[in-house]
Amino acid sequence: DSGVTQTPKHLITATGQRVTLRCSPRSGDLSVYWYQQSLDQGLQFLIQYYNGEERAKGNILERFSAQQFPDLHSELNLSSLELGDSALYFCASSDTHTTDTQYFGPGTRLTVL
Amino acid sequence: DQQVKQNSPSLSVQEGRISILNCDYTNSMFDYFLWYKKYPAEGPTFLISISSIKDKNEDGRFTVFLNKSAKHLSLHIVPSQPGDSAVYFCAASGNRGSTLGRLYFGRGTQLTVWP
Repeated sequence: DSGVTQTPKHLITATGQRVTLRCSPRSGDLSVYWYQQSLDQGLQFLIQYYNGEERAKGNILERFSAQQFPDLHSELNLSSLELGDSALYFCASSDTHTTDTQYFGPGTRLTVL
Repeated sequence: DQQVKQNSPSLSVQEGRISILNCDYTNSMFDYFLWYKKYPAEGPTFLISISSIKDKNEDGRFTVFLNKSAKHLSLHIVPSQPGDSAVYFCAASGNRGSTLGRLYFGRGTQLTVWP
């Protein structure tokens, strides 16, 4: 158990809908990262937050957004969902915002029908 | 543009023998490298890491070797056990520019250890 929690574990929804994925980092970690794992792209970095502020952005679509709250949990919002958004979404945390070991949660499997 | 590459999608090894998983990278700004292990329906689990100032790091049965000039790292598992069967991901990050903070992952190598 990495100490990173993610909810829900599974999510099934329809195209055009909006969903919110939630992540709680390990106790004491200030950085939260979101990754997407799809069959054709592998594990891809989406976005990083450190102590409530956005620090780095990857290939995150404009339809996707994230935030980190004062209690350090984070939410990833996916809107106008398309079939191609079906993937595993992982959250990771670390105690700094620079080079450091990231610990991953169990992931949320999103299926868009 | 895959900056971290694992060219072997699968590896099969007999129990008790050595498993060697390989990884190549292209970005010179990478200075921290990690190996993660992943079981189906679970998140990646951190295994071992190495900083670019070292060329070897050991933790029990796991050793990571880094060859900076060749931009190559490898993970050695000795002895291999059936419980090691999983997908292994190589990852890298750096301290500058676009490499800062984020991890770049290879596509993974499925290791199967048979009795």
